[in-house]
Amino acid sequence: DGGITQSPKYLFRKEGQNVTLSCEQNLNHDAMYWYRQDPGQGLRLIYYSQIVNDFQKGDIAEGYSVSREKKESFPLTVTSAQKNPTAFYLCASTKLTSGENTGELFFGEGSRLTVL
Amino acid sequence: AQTVTQSQPEMSVQEAETVTLSCTYDTSESDYYLFWYKQPPSRQMILVIRQEAYKQQNATENRFSVNFQKAAKSFSLKISDSQLGDAAMYFCAYRPLYIIQGAQKLVFGQGTRLTINP
Repeated sequence: DGGITQSPKYLFRKEGQNVTLSCEQNLNHDAMYWYRQDPGQGLRLIYYSQIVNDFQKGDIAEGYSVSREKKESFPLTVTSAQKNPTAFYLCASTKLTSGENTGELFFGEGSRLTVL
Repeated sequence: AQTVTQSQPEMSVQEAETVTLSCTYDTSESDYYLFWYKQPPSRQMILVIRQEAYKQQNATENRFSVNFQKAAKSFSLKISDSQLGDAAMYFCAYRPLYIIQGAQKLVFGQGTRLTINP
């Protein structure tokens, strides 16, 4: 079935370590996104990518990095520069081509990162 | 910049009753999408309902319906016959229709936590 797969679902890391969260989609979507969600809060955009080998910073990009080497994949690295990385991370994707675009974002199940 | 405001951080309703969640947005565009997403305790984001701004008819999906008032920039969600499984965080979201308008990004509200009382 088509969808978005995030892994791992739960991740524990020591302070100062870099961590990479995986996001893969087989929906042939053009754009991919990473959001951060803190407890009881809304979604904040970290990075997004509209096309392979290109990405843009969102509202809270500091301390994060991404790559888009393949259309299907958009991994997020949480670096040691991120001051408070413990959060829930959601990956999403969507079509941008008009005519095929129903507008909504499709989301993965999320990754919960806890830094000890 | 486009903004989405959900003025009710929390709402509660008795099972089987009807509840309405409010959402207002600010935009200068005339063509756009509006969405309501549900985030249950599993934290998976689930699309509840979609509205295209050019459609005057309010969208309906089973027990979920919207009241879309374009001139007032209001997009409320009505849940009829509330069920325990409706308990979740609900997010209103806006997206322009065209990339040149910023269609590559959804703008989310802060969310409304809905509790269903048995």
